[in-house]
Amino acid sequence: SQQGEEDPQALSIQEGENATMNCSYKTSINNLQWYRQNSGRGLVHLILIRSNEREKHSGRLRVTLDTSKKSSSLLITASRAADTASYFCATANQAGTALIFGKGTTLSVSS
Amino acid sequence: GAVVSQHPSWVICKSGTSVKIECRSLDFQATTMFWYRQFPKQSLMLMATSNEGSKATYEQGVEKDKFLINHASLTLSTLTVTSAHPEDSSFYICSARPRTSGPLNEQFFGPGTRLTVL
Repeated sequence: SQQGEEDPQALSIQEGENATMNCSYKTSINNLQWYRQNSGRGLVHLILIRSNEREKHSGRLRVTLDTSKKSSSLLITASRAADTASYFCATANQAGTALIFGKGTTLSVSS
Repeated sequence: GAVVSQHPSWVICKSGTSVKIECRSLDFQATTMFWYRQFPKQSLMLMATSNEGSKATYEQGVEKDKFLINHASLTLSTLTVTSAHPEDSSFYICSARPRTSGPLNEQFFGPGTRLTVL
């Protein structure tokens, strides 16, 4: 079963613009993670935000978490063509072991 | 550090044959490994959780007799797709949870294996 739902499903922007992706989840969490996947490749871990954190930064990435709304957002600032990929949020399953992934947002950045 | 490899990276097989995919943690011990399947333009779906030395736990809807998982050591888990059919064609990704992983549920993902069944 899938925990998270991302929106939008697809996003096309120009280089230099900001990209915002949202993720909603259903159950209580200890933390939420964001991953990137280039086409046909494995996952790259981007950032983890704990349930007691509201915002976290890493380079051009900014993640927010609103546990009252069970939602998170990933902002990529000053996007580059190399940011073109699919982005997934993930939370732990009920056992707290495996990760359950959202449907993902496919980002396309054109130069 | 924390590298997970998968072998092979891609495989093409005939319908009815079996295919084995290996997942190795190269520089850490993994008490738990996970197998995911990803169909084109879809998300990763958890198939099973594999604990070293014990039977794998399969997610609902995943046939344990078709997808055989063996976690024989702290650095190796294998997924065997038995009697493969074209609908088994997918991208299979493993992840490994270090023995020292804390409450943050740290996991490291392999690069994936592309299976095509003709």
